Amino acid sequence: DQQVKQNSPSLSVQEGRISILNCDYTNSMFDYFLWYKKYPAEGPTFLISISSIKDKNEDGRFTVFLNKSAKHLSLHIVPSQPGDSAVYFCAASGGLSGNTGKLIFGQGTTLQVKP
Amino acid sequence: ETGVTQSPTHLIKTRGQQVTLRCSSQSGHNTVSWYQQALGQGPQFIFQYYREEENGRGNFPPRFSGLQFPNYSSELNVNALELDDSALYLCASTPAGGPAAQGTQYFGPGTRLTVL
Repeated sequence: DQQVKQNSPSLSVQEGRISILNCDYTNSMFDYFLWYKKYPAEGPTFLISISSIKDKNEDGRFTVFLNKSAKHLSLHIVPSQPGDSAVYFCAASGGLSGNTGKLIFGQGTTLQVKP
Repeated sequence: ETGVTQSPTHLIKTRGQQVTLRCSSQSGHNTVSWYQQALGQGPQFIFQYYREEENGRGNFPPRFSGLQFPNYSSELNVNALELDDSALYLCASTPAGGPAAQGTQYFGPGTRLTVL
């Protein structure tokens, strides 16, 4: 039962262009969403998050969009840089009473930014 | 401010053995969560500790157990290792402010466990 899905295993973009990474979820109780970046041999690094009361959150080159009706979120990176090449995970947590805030992760999307 | 640290970095064990992995939370963080990441997959939640008590558990058998200490460092213990336990084990800490209902989790570098 994959509650968080990243349907694109990989994405390749040219330096300077926009990277759009997508994520779908099935559980309508999720109310907090996060994006992490992971380099080989390192742990996931937090990038940006969004609460379900918002539909957009921006931090520098990174913007996350949330479409609750479609149960879809996306991460936009503008402009893309070669150093952005990594595996990107979206994650979600629910707001149920007593919830641990445990994160449910997608499978990841490998982004390659070509110089 | 120091980040989340984990030890050891790599570990090789044989089937049936027991292993203990360690994690030091980021300063000011009182919640620690453990995840297992198999190759090509996203991390999967094992369990979480808040103020030294287990605060939720994922779909892992009882041979996966943990501890959190008063200084908020933590251990993950796995008994009777199986080949499928080979994975990257990640711990993550969350800033103090109650159970991690909606806190951002900050991850350590992980421990790569290989079971032969």
